[in-house]
Amino acid sequence: GIQVEQSPPDLILQEGANSTLRCNFSDSVNNLQWFHQNPWGQLINLFYIPSGTKQNGRLSATTVATERYSLLYISSSQTTDSGVYFCAVGEGTYKYIFGTGTRLKVLA
Amino acid sequence: EPEVTQTPSHQVTQMGQEVILRCVPISNHLYFYWYRQILGQKVEFLVSFYNNEISEKSEIFDDQFSVERPDGSNFTLKIRSTKLEDSAMYFCASSGGGWGSSYEQYFGPGTRLTVT
Repeated sequence: GIQVEQSPPDLILQEGANSTLRCNFSDSVNNLQWFHQNPWGQLINLFYIPSGTKQNGRLSATTVATERYSLLYISSSQTTDSGVYFCAVGEGTYKYIFGTGTRLKVLA
Repeated sequence: EPEVTQTPSHQVTQMGQEVILRCVPISNHLYFYWYRQILGQKVEFLVSFYNNEISEKSEIFDDQFSVERPDGSNFTLKIRSTKLEDSAMYFCASSGGGWGSSYEQYFGPGTRLTVT
């Protein structure tokens, strides 16, 4: 099956800093999403991005499907950005394989 | 905005008991999923369901697990005889998947299952 690796595993930032989270996957995919898991455990959809670039406020994402990676950019980070960020890639039509996540802590 | 809902938010049960976790997917979605997340670990796929039958299931989804769509709105996960290692957060998700719509999955808030 597809392997999904995320880096870095842990990240500590000062409020206002920028960061880049990376997701590498081992095979071609036709679906890819980024999620933020908040401290209450909820999975919040950030981007559905099987290819190309999207932006939503301070967040943006780029997927280069031919090179099997996706990047999530967080600019001007805030304490509310803390949590775990997961990349999930589609294996076939019916399931997502999640990465191990990047645990982000933003300090005030 | 439409959302996936799950009940209960937290369930405590004794080992060997049966539990049913309930989900109401987004109303016009065609594909339904269950995932689980053991505390501190990544989210793992359990099963997908389309057109009233299982489309795919993982190795975790053994004979102790079953899914059902008993009516036009609910989607349930049953664990027949719970074990301590079934303690986890269980997420339901749904996606459109029909012609012209995307496979973006929308997740519910989860049910935290604690087996004692």
